[in-house]
Amino acid sequence: EVQLVESGGGLVQPGGSLRLSCAASGFTFSKSEMNWVRQAPGKGPEWISYISSSGSTIYYADSVKGRFTISRDNAENSLYLQMNSLRAEDTAVYYCARGVSGGWEIDYWGQGTLVSVSS
Amino acid sequence: DVVMTQSPLSLPVTLGQPASISCRSSQSLVYSDGNTYLNWFQQRPGQSPRRLIYKVSNRDSGVPDRFSGSGSGTDFTLKISRVEAEDVGVYYCMQGTHWPPGFTFGPGTKVDIK
Repeated sequence: EVQLVESGGGLVQPGGSLRLSCAASGFTFSKSEMNWVRQAPGKGPEWISYISSSGSTIYYADSVKGRFTISRDNAENSLYLQMNSLRAEDTAVYYCARGVSGGWEIDYWGQGTLVSVSS
Repeated sequence: DVVMTQSPLSLPVTLGQPASISCRSSQSLVYSDGNTYLNWFQQRPGQSPRRLIYKVSNRDSGVPDRFSGSGSGTDFTLKISRVEAEDVGVYYCMQGTHWPPGFTFGPGTKVDIK
């Protein structure tokens, strides 16, 4: 069974940093593309970042480019999102999600971790 | 960038009756490999999204056959043949054809029981 478990969310002040983690199991993580998708309260999902299976290809949404960094550790079956210079508009539930079909689709999502940016 | 729209945004339905949700894209979603990367997700209250349909019309494993997807090009539809109480939630379409830069979601359609 595919499982994705996010952690690391919490309350942070504007301008602060957080590092999110996603522990993967039930599939061959090292062969899977991965994504981070966020969902602000009462809003629809917003894709924010992609990383290829090897980590050699990375993409970001314009809304987080230059502030967030995606990475992975295939030996640990883990995905990460380093978030710097956080803003109030970054407040959301952050999901890791598995990419499939060569990266052109998403199938499984984790349960999410809440990030709140407020003073 | 590709813009995804959905209608209606709110859909009250009677148990046992059919429901239909429309999703439109601002550009054709047919990719150069011939596939159309249009997915449908269900998000029940308090839960994370669950994929129902991939590549327009393929049901994911475990998805009841009362859910069906159809469409082509820029115009797509999710149908529920007979709505059950567990179908309450928000339904999103998502395109993956025009990426990078990234996946694009529709605004969502909230389905609830009359």
